[in-house]
Amino acid sequence: NAGVMQNPRHLVRRRGQEARLRCSPMKGHSHVYWYRQLPEEGLKFMVYLQKENIIDESGMPKERFSAEFPKEGPSILRIQQVVRGDSAAYFCASSLGGGQGVQPQHFGDGTRLSIL
Amino acid sequence: DAKTTQPNSMESNEEEPVHLPCNHSTISGTDYIHWYRQLPSQGPEYVIHGLTSNVNNRMASLAIAEDRKSSTLILHRATLRDAAVYYCILSDRGSTLGRLYFGRGTQLTVWP
Repeated sequence: NAGVMQNPRHLVRRRGQEARLRCSPMKGHSHVYWYRQLPEEGLKFMVYLQKENIIDESGMPKERFSAEFPKEGPSILRIQQVVRGDSAAYFCASSLGGGQGVQPQHFGDGTRLSIL
Repeated sequence: DAKTTQPNSMESNEEEPVHLPCNHSTISGTDYIHWYRQLPSQGPEYVIHGLTSNVNNRMASLAIAEDRKSSTLILHRATLRDAAVYYCILSDRGSTLGRLYFGRGTQLTVWP
């Protein structure tokens, strides 16, 4: 299966701990996007990255959240000092080309983060 | 940000065609119309996209009004597996930004 791979599928953390979510894009894709879906709400854009660059982080909370997409390895979404309100499904998507354009985004099945 | 309007929910019987409408009266000349769907407990799935002409693929057809202010996603024969939330999204082909705006979408229920 050459789809977008996210791990872990489920992650449980206690308040104050760190959460690291990983995303491996589809083969050949160098554009990665992160979205968050709070319970009973729609998906909200967080950040758009290319290899080693953050292109658009306008949807990222200003504190505690960071994202990277290194030259080698998966993209990482990192949440420091988690709080109950961070409980959500986090989805990663990848595309062949950049920007909105005409390239569809291919999504993984998400990481469901639960904060105790 | 909400540039499209969709009904909250629709219902269909299995093996019948389904027409999912979307209004986008403020669409610009460079906006593509994309459709995604999200099955329960899964990530969104790309369905189809188009600019001006009607489009067909193995999953669905996209009918775009001549003035481009509305479009319709057509599932030719609904199956139980098509039960999902369907999102109609505009994306600017000239934009270098990556965000897709997911509104509330249309919850499609398919009855056996």
